[in-house]
Amino acid sequence: DQQVKQNSPSLSVQEGRISILNCDYTNSMFDYFLWYKKYPAEGPTFLISISSIKDKNEDGRFTVFLNKSAKHLSLHIVPSQPGDSAVYFCAASAMDSNYQLIWGAGTKLIIKP
Amino acid sequence: DAGVTQSPTHLIKTRGQQVTLRCSPKSGHDTVSWYQQALGQGPQFIFQYYEEEERQRGNFPDRFSGHQFPNYSSELNVNALLLGDSALYLCASSFFPGQHTDTQYFGPGTRLTVL
Repeated sequence: DQQVKQNSPSLSVQEGRISILNCDYTNSMFDYFLWYKKYPAEGPTFLISISSIKDKNEDGRFTVFLNKSAKHLSLHIVPSQPGDSAVYFCAASAMDSNYQLIWGAGTKLIIKP
Repeated sequence: DAGVTQSPTHLIKTRGQQVTLRCSPKSGHDTVSWYQQALGQGPQFIFQYYEEEERQRGNFPDRFSGHQFPNYSSELNVNALLLGDSALYLCASSFFPGQHTDTQYFGPGTRLTVL
C-alpha cells in the first residue's frame, strides 16, 4: 500500500528548461510534504517543503505546488542546471503518525546539455 | 562541522548471520533515525532513538533492534539476516522533540548485501 507515489522513475530535461517532478498521495491526513534530493553515494539532502495550509512555496529556482483536492504535489525547477541531475524523493508526514516520513520511490532527473 | 557519518560503507553477510551498523549524528543533534532503502524504492522508517531509548518504530520485525549511546551515536542491529534485508541503510539525525518541520540530515548510508 503505497501512500506516496512518484509514477515517473526518470525524467530527462534540456538544460535551461523547466523540470517538473510529480508526486501523488492517498492519505488525506498528511499535513506536511518535503522534497529531498539524492546524489549517488550520498544521503538524501533536504530541498524544500510545504505545509498543507499553503498551496505554493518558493525557494530560488525551486517551487513546490500543492493541490490538496487532487492529493497531488509537484516540484518545479527553473531553469534546470546540470547540477540538478539527481534522484528526487517526495515525502509526507502526518500528526497522527507522529510525523514519520513516508517516502515515494523517487524520480531520477537527468539534465541534458 | 562534521555531518552524519556511517560505518561501514559496504558489508556482505550470509543468511542467518547478524550485523551491526553504526552512525554518528551531526554535531549538536541528539536524535537518530534509521531507514531502510531497498533498490528502486524510497527509504522506509525503521525506528528513532532519543535519550538512549527507542521513541518511535516503523513496521519492522523485532530482528531489527538498536541502541543509542550517551554521546548520541547509534547502532542498528539486524539478527537472523534474510536475503530481503539487502538494502541501503540510512541514518538521519535531528533535534528532539523539535518541530516536525525540522530538517533531518542524512548520512551516506551502509550498503548491506545478504547472500
